[in-house]
Formats: sequence, C-alpha cells, structure tokens
Amino acid sequence: RKEVEQDPGPFNVPEGATVAFNCTYSNSASQSFFWYRQDCRKEPKLLMSVYSSGNEDGRFTAQLNRASQYISLLIRDSKLSDSATYLCVVNHKQAGTALIFGKGTTLSVSS
Amino acid sequence: NAGVTQTPKFQVLKTGQSMTLQCAQDMNHEYMSWYRQDPGMGLRLIHYSVGAGITDQGEVPNGYNVSRSTTEDFPLRLLSAAPSQTSVYFCASGLTYDDTNYGYTFGSGTRLTVV
Repeated sequence: RKEVEQDPGPFNVPEGATVAFNCTYSNSASQSFFWYRQDCRKEPKLLMSVYSSGNEDGRFTAQLNRASQYISLLIRDSKLSDSATYLCVVNHKQAGTALIFGKGTTLSVSS
Repeated sequence: NAGVTQTPKFQVLKTGQSMTLQCAQDMNHEYMSWYRQDPGMGLRLIHYSVGAGITDQGEVPNGYNVSRSTTEDFPLRLLSAAPSQTSVYFCASGLTYDDTNYGYTFGSGTRLTVV
C-alpha cells in the first residue's frame, strides 16, 4: 500500500463549483499534514497545513481525521486560477521528518 | 529574499557523464532535501539533510551522492548518468522543530535529460 494515496482525477468543474479532494495515509505515526499546489511545469507550493481541528483559508478548507487516516481539501467557488494539481503530503518521524507526497489530484476549472 | 535557488534550470547529459546540481537557500533552514518527479510517479525523495554535516538516503538514492558542508548549500551529484535519471529534480528546504516539519519551500527545478 502506498504511503499517501489520492484520486488522480482529473476533476473537471465549472467556475463557481465546490470540489472536494480526499487523501488517505498509511502510517499512523504521521505527525504533520499539508496540501501543496503544483502548476504545470512549476515547483510545488505550500497551499495550507492541515490541523486536527480543521482549518480554513479563504475558499479553502482542510480537514484531518486521524482515526481514519484521512485528509480532505474543499475548494468553494472555484476560479479558473484554481486549475492545478493538488498534492497531499504527510510527514512522520520515522522518515527523518521528510515529507511524503501523494501523486496528486488534477483539477481543471472551466468557464 | 531569493528562497531556494537551483542551477541549472535545464541540462542534457550523455550516458556516463557526471554532473552536480546546485541548490542554495538563504532562509537558514536546517532541513534540505532532493526529490525527483517523474510522470505518474509523483515526487520521490532521493537524499535529505537535517543539518550541516548530516545526510541520509531517501526512497531512491542509487546513482546519486550528496554532501552538506554548509547550512546554505546542498548539491546533488550524479555519478554516471543513465537514461533512467531523466527527470525533473527539485530541491527543497524547511524548518523542523521537535520532530515536526513545518513545510518546505521548493526551488524552481532542474529538468535533466540523459541521452
């Protein structure tokens, strides 16, 4: 089983739609959780950290369920500029604090 | 503030050649790492360093060497390039505290082709 699994998509949605991405991780010792965004042929950029209590940043909401080892990202009121690949990322002590990346979910927002 | 700087941005090598990919950060981050990204494979960790003088292997270390003589620099050496090393290479740095990783900043990448 892969350490971090994501639905690769693509998710094709119209502007203004709400879209949700899910991610599962296999190592229960994982301590830190993130969503990164990667545009085509660019480097990954940190979108937001994910906290146990859930957290929101504008149109983006991230949630963590440690019991189910599940992370989600909700994007409301999608914009054309949200089109990108979203990477689910975890880290755990046994990996030497390295970040382990999922393969990413591709989102395409159309007008 | 330059962040993480990688050079070169593009490189073509012949099989068997060696080269060094440079990575420098100016954020005083302890943690630095190298990833490669291939289609359908996602980002895979090659080597990482938790501080000057300390390096360790990641998921796919074979064919690569690293050293960390200063906090700022973390070069990646390809010893004898092979076509299987054709990839996009990303360097990243970040802060860790009490075994918690606070997220990475990535360089813009090096696109390497081995022919």
